[in-house]
Amino acid sequence: AQRVTQPEKLLSVFKGAPVELKCNYSYSGSPELFWYVQYSRQRLQLLLRHISRESIKGFTADLNKGETSFHLKKPFAQEEDSAMYYCALSRSSGSARQLTFGSGTQLTVLP
Amino acid sequence: DAGVIQSPRHEVTEMGQEVTLRCKPISGHDYLFWYRQTMMRGLELLIYFNNNVPIDDSGMPEDRFSAKMPNASFSTLKIQPSEPRDSAVYFCASSAGRNNEQFFGPGTRLTVL
Repeated sequence: AQRVTQPEKLLSVFKGAPVELKCNYSYSGSPELFWYVQYSRQRLQLLLRHISRESIKGFTADLNKGETSFHLKKPFAQEEDSAMYYCALSRSSGSARQLTFGSGTQLTVLP
Repeated sequence: DAGVIQSPRHEVTEMGQEVTLRCKPISGHDYLFWYRQTMMRGLELLIYFNNNVPIDDSGMPEDRFSAKMPNASFSTLKIQPSEPRDSAVYFCASSAGRNNEQFFGPGTRLTVL
């Protein structure tokens, strides 16, 4: 069975500091990994996916199959980055994108 | 498009009562997902539909939970009878096609007293 672990429930950094939100996964197949974000009073929305290899709002995430990790990084955090972040894993097969979510990390960027 | 619509946004009920949560997916989306979010277990997939047909309900906690999708624009998640441990935020999401992004609704916060 697949599992996603986000070890930090809460993370605080100062504006301008680097930030890294950790995500580790376990899955016997070939995974597809995502980061979702939920800003205050807004819906859960996709931030980025590993297959896209893109940077969104300054965030990047690299899939490390050796370490089974998909950490989310940003070199200079902004106050508007404060939100709840969820790492999610999708089975590579099946009839739809079934997502398994981590427990989430609440990021607070302090002024 | 208003996105995925869920109602009610908040529901407070007493143990033993029937609860019905509603979802309207984005028009044209053929997949619909129901999730539950709790502090203890995070976000869990309960059930999903493809073209109104339930495909996988292995995440439904027990027989008290049931979900239907009578047409492409409406789905319900029903809990009967409700229990305090069912208190959670229930999200509905929809997507177009097998491998596309899931769009989430605002969620329904359920409190069972």
